[in-house]
This record gives sequence, C-alpha cells and structure tokens, in this order.
Amino acid sequence: DQQVKQNSPSLSVQEGRISILNCDYTNSMFDYFLWYKKYPAEGPTFLISISSIKDKNEDGRFTVFLNKSAKHLSLHIVPSQPGDSAVYFCAASAMETSGSRLTFGEGTQLTVNP
Amino acid sequence: KAGVTQTPRYLIKTRGQQVTLSCSPISGHRSVSWYQQTPGQGLQFLFEYFSETQRNKGNFPGRFSGRQFSNSRSEMNVSTLELGDSALYLCASSLGAMGEKLFFGSGTQLSVL
Repeated sequence: DQQVKQNSPSLSVQEGRISILNCDYTNSMFDYFLWYKKYPAEGPTFLISISSIKDKNEDGRFTVFLNKSAKHLSLHIVPSQPGDSAVYFCAASAMETSGSRLTFGEGTQLTVNP
Repeated sequence: KAGVTQTPRYLIKTRGQQVTLSCSPISGHRSVSWYQQTPGQGLQFLFEYFSETQRNKGNFPGRFSGRQFSNSRSEMNVSTLELGDSALYLCASSLGAMGEKLFFGSGTQLSVL
C-alpha cells in the first residue's frame, strides 16, 4: 500500500525554467510534509517542509504547495539550475502517531539541461 | 558539527550470511532511524530507536533487527540474507521530536550474491 506516490519517475527541464514536481498521498492522518533531494552516492538532504495548517511555504527558489482536499502537494523550483539535477523524494509524517517516521514516495529524477 | 556516519560504505555478502551495519548519529541526536532504498521503491522505513528503545517499526520480517547504544550509536543486523535484501541502507538521526526533519548518512550499499 503506497501511501505516498510520485507518479512521474523523471522530469526534464531547461535551465532558467520552472520545475514542478508532484506528490499525492492517501493517508488523511498525514499532517507534515517534506521534500528531500538526493545525489548519487549520497544520503538524502532536507530541502523544504510544510505543515498541514499552511498551504504554501517558500524558501528562496523553492516553494511547496499543499492542497489538503486533493491530498496533493507540489514542489516548484524557480529558476531551475543544472545543480538541481537530482532525485527528489516527497515524504509525509503523522506527527501524533508515527514519531519521527517518514513515509516516502518513489522519487522523481529531475534533470535540468543547460 | 559532524554529520551522520555510516560504516561500511559498501558490503558484499552471499545468501544465508548475516550482516551488521553501523550508524553514528549527529552529536546530541537521540533518535536513529533506518531506511531501505531499492530502485523504484523509494525509501522504506525499517525501524526507529530513541534512547536505546525501539519506538517504531516498519513492515519488515524479523530477520531485520537493530539496537541503539547509550551513546546513541545504532547497529542494524540482517540475518539469513536473501538476494532481495540487496539495497542501499540509510540511517537518519534527529533530536527525536515528533515530525522533525531527519538528517541522513550516505548509506551502506549491500549486495547479496
């Protein structure tokens, strides 16, 4: 039972354009969402998060949008840079019940072309 | 501040053997979690330890076990290895508060032949 799904295994964009990565979840108990970025041979690194009481959180070039009614979140990267090329994982947590446990999506490989 | 350290980085074993992986969390972090990453499957939660106690457990068979020591360092053990256990095993640490972001190590790449 995949509770967090990233339906696009890969995404390719041109440098300077917007990258939009999508994520859907099924568990209505999830109330905290995170995005991680992973380069080959390295562990995932935290990018940005959002609590379910908000619908948008912005940090520099990165913005996460949360649509609770649709159980959907997205990560926008503007402008995209070649160094952003990595695998992006969406993750979710049910803070009251799961402690530090995160449920991850399958990941989306983002390629930013110069 | 040193990051999360996992040893070894690479490991090759044969079916039926057992393996122990090690994780040293960031100094001051009391929670250590383990995840398995396989191609196309994302990261699957194995278990979490906090103050030497298992606080949460994923849906893995009993062949997968772990422990945490008083200095918060953690070990993960897999017994009777199967080919399907080949994966990247990632350790993550945090202070242990609910919903907190995790800091990951670089992982141990396990190959079972």
